[in-house]
Order: sequence, then structure tokens, then C-alpha cells
Amino acid sequence: SFALAQPPSVSVAPGQTATIPCGGNDIGRKTVHWYQQKPGQAPVLVVHDDSGRPSGIPARFSGSNSGNTATLTISGVEAGDEADYYCQVWDILDDSGIFGGGTKLTVL
Amino acid sequence: VQLVQSAAEIKKPGESLKISCKGSAYSFSAFWIAWVRQVPGKGLEWMGIIYPHDSDTRYSPAFQGQVTISADTSTNTAYLQWNSLKASDTAMYYCARLTVTSNPLDYWGQGTLVTVSS
Repeated sequence: SFALAQPPSVSVAPGQTATIPCGGNDIGRKTVHWYQQKPGQAPVLVVHDDSGRPSGIPARFSGSNSGNTATLTISGVEAGDEADYYCQVWDILDDSGIFGGGTKLTVL
Repeated sequence: VQLVQSAAEIKKPGESLKISCKGSAYSFSAFWIAWVRQVPGKGLEWMGIIYPHDSDTRYSPAFQGQVTISADTSTNTAYLQWNSLKASDTAMYYCARLTVTSNPLDYWGQGTLVTVSS
């Protein structure tokens, strides 16, 4: 079955740009969604369909997808962006969704 | 759009359990409902989805045969059921809505914490 790989942690200073990769075999051929989860809360969709942004999500959040890596980019990182971030795709072979292992974003 | 889940549960190993997810302010039958598990301190795991209109159900291979997903369109409620709980089922369980299978999970329930302990 398809597997998604994310680094366990990413650290960035306030105001800088955070990039969170999500690796998978030829993931560029799939549609990737990204979720933010803060402690004690349900996940929230922050990027859909590789690069779309849901209503209410700041423009600082963007996404891209090509080759074997999809990327979530957060520009001008704020303390409130500290959270776990998960990528997700649909696996046609297993007819099931799949999540990456998650990346903890720490704002220094 | 709201998805409201049932309250936390504390159960013993071997007991059965059915938790719920009630949708409101949208056409419940026309959207898939997904169930997602999160073991304490761990990541999100996709369990399966159901299309309430015709009860078409797709399970992740890891959860096939371990749980049962169902839905009742008369009450706009989806369910996740266990026949015999194990300690390893201790987790937070979320329901979430999606339009079609490849689409994102756009609205989430607040989660139901299930604790299985003797």
C-alpha cells in the first residue's frame, strides 16, 4: 500500500518560512491535503487539492506537489502556528485514505 | 455544518461499544463520513468511510474486520462499533465529512475518547 513520509519535527523562528515535506512514490500524480492539529483539538484542513486554501485560512499557508514530494509552506510563521501537521492522500489500490506520520512544527 | 460526537467512554476489555457522530446543517445522506483514530501521543489513522445514502462502506485494510461502520439517515447519524474491545483500542476517535473519496476532510467532529482498561 501507498506510504507517506514526513519528518517528525521542524523548527523555525517567528517571521521565517516553514516548509514541511510529505514524501511518497510519485505523489505528484495524487491529490494532497494538509491538516493542522493543535493540542487537545480536532484537526483542521489548511490546504486542499495540493494548493487550495479553505475559507478562513490565512494566505500564509500554501502548498505544492510535484514528483515524489508534496510541501506545505507557512510564510511569516507566528507562535500560533505551532502544531502538528499531517498530509493525506487517497490510495486507489487500497480504496482508502492515508495520512502521513505528522510533523510537529515548533516556533522558536 | 456541524458534526457532534457522543461522549467519552470507559470500557473493559471484551465489552462491546458503539459511538456516534450526528451531522447537521447539511444534506447528511449526500456526503461521506470518515472515521479517524488517534492513539494518545500518536498520529492520525484512517479507519474507513461510509456513504449514508446507500451505506457503501470502505475500510482501511488495517481496520477491516476490527470495527463496523454504519449510518442511519433517519437520524443523520453515523456509527463506529466494536464487538469486543481491546486495551489497544484506547484512543480518540474522530468523524469527519468528505464530498467524494479523493476529497479532503472538510469538517470534523470534536472527537470521542474511548478508554479500555480492566
